[in-house]
Amino acid sequence: DVKVTQSSRYLVKRTGEKVFLECVQDMDHENMFWYRQDPGLGLRLIYFSYDVKMKEKGDIPEGYSVSREKKERFSLILESASTNQTSMYLCASSPGTGSYNSPLHFGNGTRLTVT
Amino acid sequence: DQQVKQNSPSLSVQEGRISILNCDYTNSMFDYFLWYKKYPAEGPTFLISISSIKDKNEDGRFTVFLNKSAKHLSLHIVPSQPGDSAVYFCAASEWDGGATNKLIFGTGTLLAVQP
Repeated sequence: DVKVTQSSRYLVKRTGEKVFLECVQDMDHENMFWYRQDPGLGLRLIYFSYDVKMKEKGDIPEGYSVSREKKERFSLILESASTNQTSMYLCASSPGTGSYNSPLHFGNGTRLTVT
Repeated sequence: DQQVKQNSPSLSVQEGRISILNCDYTNSMFDYFLWYKKYPAEGPTFLISISSIKDKNEDGRFTVFLNKSAKHLSLHIVPSQPGDSAVYFCAASEWDGGATNKLIFGTGTLLAVQP
């Protein structure tokens, strides 16, 4: 069974802090994704990666960066946290290009509050 | 601009009756559609999908219908059970020839199944 693990369930950070959200998957998936979920807006794609050290911008990348140094780990970085980045952050993974329509497997989310 | 829309934020249904969740999309290049279910404090889990070459896909109590001309899909749950109470997200996929596809999610519909 695929497991996507997000290191923190809840985080509270101050405005201006650098924030790291970590995600690990155990199924050797090539693709990994970061979404944020906000009421009335659904899930919006921030960044994704289809291979180690490869990254692509999603729909709302501003204020974020990512790192994928190892296949199983995908980190989301808030360079200088702001209150409008208070949200639920969801990491997901899926197999590679041979099955590009495979469903995403999500972690349980990290609820980040920026004060 | 919201490419995938779920116009009903919530739906209440009696146990044993049919639940119908609707989703509209604007991008005619979407070629694959999925439904995810999300319980509070958990990540979304994949429920059912349909390719654009089909108009119906069934899996147990869940059936997804696709009307390409109307750019509309719906999820039918029959019979509805209290355990089906969750937020349901519609998602659409487009492969632009890149390394992988991206999923565009709708805003979600909260289904409440009353015992």
